[in-house]
Amino acid sequence: EVQLVESGGGLVQPGGSLRLSCAASGFTFSSYEMNWVRQAPGKGLEWVSYISSSGSTIYYADSVKGRFTISRDNAKNSLYLQMNSLRAEDTAVYYCARAGPPGPAAMPDYWGQGTLVTVSS
Amino acid sequence: QLVLTQSPSASASLGASVKLTCTLSSGHSSYAIAWHQQQPEKGPRYLMKLNSDGSHSKGDGIPDRFSGSSSGAERYLTISSLQSEDEADYYCQTWGTGTHWVFGGGTKLTVL
Repeated sequence: EVQLVESGGGLVQPGGSLRLSCAASGFTFSSYEMNWVRQAPGKGLEWVSYISSSGSTIYYADSVKGRFTISRDNAKNSLYLQMNSLRAEDTAVYYCARAGPPGPAAMPDYWGQGTLVTVSS
Repeated sequence: QLVLTQSPSASASLGASVKLTCTLSSGHSSYAIAWHQQQPEKGPRYLMKLNSDGSHSKGDGIPDRFSGSSSGAERYLTISSLQSEDEADYYCQTWGTGTHWVFGGGTKLTVL
């Protein structure tokens, strides 16, 4: 069974940092592209960042470029999101999502349960 | 610019059918999309990939009650024999340049 379990969320002050993790199981993690998607309270889904299966290709939404860093450790079946210079508008539930099946135009075929990040003083 | 447009809300009675719509912006009518369901207080769940010709492939364990169809720039999700657990937000999603994944604003489905 495919499982994605996020952790690392919490309350942080504006300008602070947080590192999110996503533990993957039930599939060959190193074969899949991965993404982070967020959802502000009461709002819709917003794509945040993408990383290729090897980690060699990375994309970011303009709203987080230069502040967030996506990475992965295929040996540990884990995905990460380092979030720096956090702003109030980064407050959201952050989901990791697997892009599948492997190949072009892969879609979010499995999602985690999310971890809440609250940026407030 | 690629935009996906969804009606904010829809409602239908228990046991009935409902058809939700996702409209692709001008110039993108050939794009495939995916439909996702988000039940209250849960993470999203992938329902299906829907191609421009109406062919679709469903995710693991998705009941036959869920089906998809297409017409021009419109992509549809039909849910038949509505059950209480179908009350959820439904999002369509596709692929954009620069913005890797693009989501519609979502439709909140109420089962009466």
